[in-house]
Order: sequence, then structure tokens, then C-alpha cells
Amino acid sequence: GEQVEQRPPHLSVREGDSAVIICTYTDPNSYYFFWYKQEPGAGLQLLMKVFSSTEINEGQGFTVLLNKKDKQLSLNLTAAHPGDSAVYFCAVIRVVGQLTFGRGTRLQVYA
Amino acid sequence: GPKVLQIPSHQIIDMGQMVTLNCDPVSNHLYFYWYKQILGQQMEFLVNFYNGKVMEKSKLFKDQFSVERPDGSYFTLKIQPTALEDSAVYFCASSLGRGDYEQYFGPGTRLTVL
Repeated sequence: GEQVEQRPPHLSVREGDSAVIICTYTDPNSYYFFWYKQEPGAGLQLLMKVFSSTEINEGQGFTVLLNKKDKQLSLNLTAAHPGDSAVYFCAVIRVVGQLTFGRGTRLQVYA
Repeated sequence: GPKVLQIPSHQIIDMGQMVTLNCDPVSNHLYFYWYKQILGQQMEFLVNFYNGKVMEKSKLFKDQFSVERPDGSYFTLKIQPTALEDSAVYFCASSLGRGDYEQYFGPGTRLTVL
């Protein structure tokens, strides 16, 4: 089945610094990709979805890069602030209707 | 944004008992999902449900598991009987369509089986 490796499992950065989280997947037929953010006690909040072969998407304060050649998906928070502290999950669709998740990255942003 | 609610947030039961986890999906959504996350491990797909039927299920969706959504009420996951290995956080999600439609997640129910 699909394997999605996410690293690092924990990340601690100073406010204003960048934070990069990377997911690597195995199935080349994977065709839709997501980043979710989970704050304590809350559900997963969708940050971004991407599907093109190589795509850079910019959101509010972050950039998502998909590199299908290397089967890699990354999330880059460009200038982290304490409100970004959360657990971040990548997720992949290979089979319609099923998300395969990475293990999550716990990000801590300190002042 | 759209919110998915889950009730209860925590549930502790004895092994062998029955448990029902409740999900209140986004009101106009048609597809419903359950995922399971054992502590420290990846969140894994259990089942999806549409129009009163299970569409797909994974090998984690054991015979002791069942799902239903009677008459537009809660979307439920029932485990009967429970086993120790069912201890996990169960996340419900819903989406407007299938495929690449966004799945909106609830906050999870932490189930502890003693």
C-alpha cells in the first residue's frame, strides 16, 4: 500500500524563522495532495491542496511545493509566528475517497 | 469554515462492551468517513459511506465495526464488541463529493478500551 513518510516529527523554530516539512510518498499513481493543520482540541484544517505535476502554491504565510518526479511534497512556512504552532499532516490520494496520511510534524514557534 | 462535530470527545469503556461514536457532518455533505489514529502512529482510513452504503473499507474495518446514518442524523461508528487494540483517536470527516473533494475533519473522539 501507499507509504507516506513525513519529516521531521518535531520542529522548533524562533518567531520569524522559516520552517520546512517534507513528505515523501511511494506510489507514482498518487494524484492529489493535501496539507492539514491541527491545533489542540480541533479538527484538521485544510491548508492547501495541489495536484499538478510540479506546482508551487502560495498561501497566507506558507508555500507548498509538489515534485512528482521525486515524489515529494513540502510545506514551507516562510516567517513563522506563534499562531503557527500546531501539528501538520500531509495527505495523499491514490485511491478515490481515501486519504493516506503522514505521521505528522509537531511545530513549536517560540518568541 | 464548515465544521464537523464529534461526540463524545473522550470515551472510556471496558473490553467487550459496545461503543458508538457520533459524528455530525457538514450539513450539505454527502460522503462520510472514519479514520483511526493510534497514539504516535499515522492516521489510517477505515471506511467511507455514501447514500446509506459503505463504499470502501480498509482491512482495519473489522467485522465488529459498523457504520450508519439513519435519516440524516448522526453518522455513527459502532464497535461491538470492543477489543484493547481499538483504543485510538477516531476522526470523522465529510465531503461534498468523492475523489478530490476536500474532506472536512472533526476534532476526534479518544476511545480508551480497558
